[in-house]
Amino acid sequence: DAGITQSPRYKITETGRQVTLMCHQTWSHSYMFWYRQDLGHGLRLIYYSAAADITDKGEVPDGYVVSRSKTENFPLTLESATRSQTSVYFCASRRDHAGIGSPLHFGNGTRLTVT
Amino acid sequence: AQTVTQSQPEMSVQEAETVTLSCTYDTSESDYYLFWYKQPPSRQMILVIRQEAYKQQNATENRFSVNFQKAAKSFSLKISDSQLGDAAMYFCAYRSGEETSGSRLTFGEGTQLTVNP
Repeated sequence: DAGITQSPRYKITETGRQVTLMCHQTWSHSYMFWYRQDLGHGLRLIYYSAAADITDKGEVPDGYVVSRSKTENFPLTLESATRSQTSVYFCASRRDHAGIGSPLHFGNGTRLTVT
Repeated sequence: AQTVTQSQPEMSVQEAETVTLSCTYDTSESDYYLFWYKQPPSRQMILVIRQEAYKQQNATENRFSVNFQKAAKSFSLKISDSQLGDAAMYFCAYRSGEETSGSRLTFGEGTQLTVNP
């Protein structure tokens, strides 16, 4: 019962570097999401994907790129990291055919620090 | 766009007592879902309870229950017989009932709950 795996769990990078956060799910869920968590803001949606090769912007997409070539993987790339992107990042998925009211399943998050 | 507001950044409760966490939301939709998630220090996001807007009956899950006031757009979480393990950040979240919304959740800012022994 692997569920959703995020890697790395912690990452420190420098301003201007490219960094990719990985997300892998074993359920073959169609919907996947990337959120960032910041104090005072809760979780905000960065990007989401309804299926392989289908992605769409969320609330705070600037500075991020996603891809979904395979159903099980949904990597998030910061092309040129900035200090404002220091945050905890969560990947999530939603079970198919469970109705739109079904909850999201979350990974354990990646804490990213940009110095 | 929908918004979710949690006006209590921090709350505390004595062990075995009852505490209520507040959540209000703003929407023009009639079909939607509301959730409470718990985030302990491990960072794991754990679903606590879910409410469908079309249901008048308030959802309950063991010691957790909600007070859903659709007209007031209020969705509070009541924790009865609080336990030390209930200490966590609690997030209220909204999802549109429209499939075109992409199943996205809109979260509140969170309430940090402390349980005192």
